[in-house]
Amino acid sequence: DIVMTQSPDSLAVSLGERATINCKSSQSILYSSNNKYYLAWYQQKPGQPPKLLIYWASIRESGVPDRFSGSGSGTDFTLTISSLQAEDVAVYYCLQYYDTPRTFGQGTKVGIK
Amino acid sequence: EVQLVESGGGLVQPGGSLRLSCAASGFPFSSYWMTWVRQAPWKGLEWVAYIKPDGTEMYYVESVKGRFTISRDNAKNSLFLQMNTLRAEDTAVYYCATISGSYGGAFDNWGQGTLVTVSS
Repeated sequence: DIVMTQSPDSLAVSLGERATINCKSSQSILYSSNNKYYLAWYQQKPGQPPKLLIYWASIRESGVPDRFSGSGSGTDFTLTISSLQAEDVAVYYCLQYYDTPRTFGQGTKVGIK
Repeated sequence: EVQLVESGGGLVQPGGSLRLSCAASGFPFSSYWMTWVRQAPWKGLEWVAYIKPDGTEMYYVESVKGRFTISRDNAKNSLFLQMNTLRAEDTAVYYCATISGSYGGAFDNWGQGTLVTVSS
């Protein structure tokens, strides 16, 4: 199974500052035929289902604010919130959908400093 | 607008059975791979199973193989999860979600979830 490891487990950032979440896959999730990384990022607020933010590692889902961005290559990926807003307080998860079983990272809790 | 509404959760004793349903609307259900994902209380997300649009292929996480069965009724725009021989560790909120063909397989639309509690 592909293991997805996020870091840190939690972080607190001042409003308007940058938040960075890392996700490392235990093996490549690059599909060579289309050169795409099969990685997604989700935001989950308390009492709500997860919401898709980013797919193919760096493509923002429609309607997602542009302060959210995804990047990475190889086995290391990053979700960046460029200017943290109060409504961004949530738990963030990465998901690899390259292989079965699909596997999520353990989650990163983002709060306000 | 895509809508996914789960139902069927509740309290069940260890060793018991439960059948979850997910009513889908707002998209061509019969063309979509569908999946179940669960979340134990205060824990992270765990993929459980997914099923091909025509229902001929199903895949499961190892911990539920032989106990859970995913199925669908395309005529009724419904997804199901039959859960047998339930264990305490199956206690979780169970979400159904669509699997996007356009995004290569990311889980894009999610229901609100239904809570399954396995306890004596």
